[in-house]
Amino acid sequence: QVQLQESGPGLVKSSETLSLTCVVSGFSISSGFYWGWVRQPPGKGLEWIGSRSPSGSTYDNASLKSRVSISLDSPREFFSLTLKSVTAADTAVYFCVRHRSGSKNFDCWGQGIQVTVSS
Amino acid sequence: QTVVTQEPSLSVSPGGTVTLTCGLTSGSVSTAFYPSWYQQTPGQAPRTLIYTTNTRSSGVPDRFSGSILGNKAALTITRAQADDESDYYCLLYVGRGSWVFGGGTKLTVL
Repeated sequence: QVQLQESGPGLVKSSETLSLTCVVSGFSISSGFYWGWVRQPPGKGLEWIGSRSPSGSTYDNASLKSRVSISLDSPREFFSLTLKSVTAADTAVYFCVRHRSGSKNFDCWGQGIQVTVSS
Repeated sequence: QTVVTQEPSLSVSPGGTVTLTCGLTSGSVSTAFYPSWYQQTPGQAPRTLIYTTNTRSSGVPDRFSGSILGNKAALTITRAQADDESDYYCLLYVGRGSWVFGGGTKLTVL
């Protein structure tokens, strides 16, 4: 059974960098699929942040692209999100996800981690 | 910028049928957008219900079905139950490696 688990600081200061990690168990990152991040501000909807494939394909939400970096660590079965120059608007629950290149749906989700940006 | 539209809120009676839709402010939704649907209850991660327009995810009851209705993707829930009360999000692949969620529909069962 595939499981994804986010970890990282729950509080980040404004203008600094947010860094989160997603540990994958029950499936190998290098076996395919895409690995990405979705966020949800308090009381609002879902927003796709970006995704990566083991082959090196890179997809990012254009509205965040200049601040986002996603990397895969296949040997250690985790992937990471870095978001630079955060503001209060980046306060959200962040979910890591697995999604399929063929059907393009997000088929596996982490439980989510709350990140608050403080001034 | 692509904007995906959903009804902000809908209600359905227990045992009734409701259809949620997923459209575009510009253009029509087709199977080429690989529409998928997710159910989310408060404090939980979303759960996949439907993908590639009309394929039910494992374990999803057949009361949930997906389709294209006119120029929108649609999620139909039949025989509605109390625990169907959730937020529902559609997701579209808009091409060039980009995905966009709809704003979500809050479904009330009453």
